[in-house]
Amino acid sequence: EVQLVESGGGLVQPGGSLRLSCAASGFIFSSYDMNWVRQAPGKGLEWISYITLNSKTKTYADSVKGRFTISRDNAKKSLFLHMNSLRVEDTGVYYCARTAVAGTESDNWGQGTLVTVSS
Amino acid sequence: QSALTQPRSVSGSPGQSVTISCTGTSSDVGDYNYVSWYQQHPGKAPKLMIYDVNKRPSEVPDRFSGSKSGNTASLTISGLQTEDEADYYCCSYAGSYTWVFGTGTKVTVL
Repeated sequence: EVQLVESGGGLVQPGGSLRLSCAASGFIFSSYDMNWVRQAPGKGLEWISYITLNSKTKTYADSVKGRFTISRDNAKKSLFLHMNSLRVEDTGVYYCARTAVAGTESDNWGQGTLVTVSS
Repeated sequence: QSALTQPRSVSGSPGQSVTISCTGTSSDVGDYNYVSWYQQHPGKAPKLMIYDVNKRPSEVPDRFSGSKSGNTASLTISGLQTEDEADYYCCSYAGSYTWVFGTGTKVTVL
């Protein structure tokens, strides 16, 4: 069974930093591209970052470019999101999602981890 | 990237059909046949319902179907059931390994 488990969320002050992790199991992690998607409280989904299976390509939404960094460790079957210069508007649930092989859709999602940016 | 436009809500009685529209631009929905739809129940993670405009994962009931015309994609739920009450989001590939989601639609089963 495919499982994605996010961790690392919490309360952080504006301007602070946080590192999110996503532990993968039940599939060959190194064969899949991955994404981070977030959802502000009571709002819609927002794609924020993508990484190819070999980490050669990394992309970001304009809203996080220059502040967030996506990375992965295939040996540890883990995906990461390093978040710096956090803003109040970065508050929300952060999901990691697997991109389907030879596709563009996210076919499996974690349960999410809540990030709260507040003073 | 601006979010794709969806109606805020749609509703229908059990057994009826509802259609959710998703309007983008010639740079996303209109340029790629890579539109997907996700169902999200309150407090839960999104679930893939449709991909590549009109393809269904094997576990998704065939009551769910997708289509696209120009810059607008659509999701139709036929034979509406109570468990279909949820939020639905469209998503389009927007080129250069970027994606854009829709604003989301709440489906209410009357």
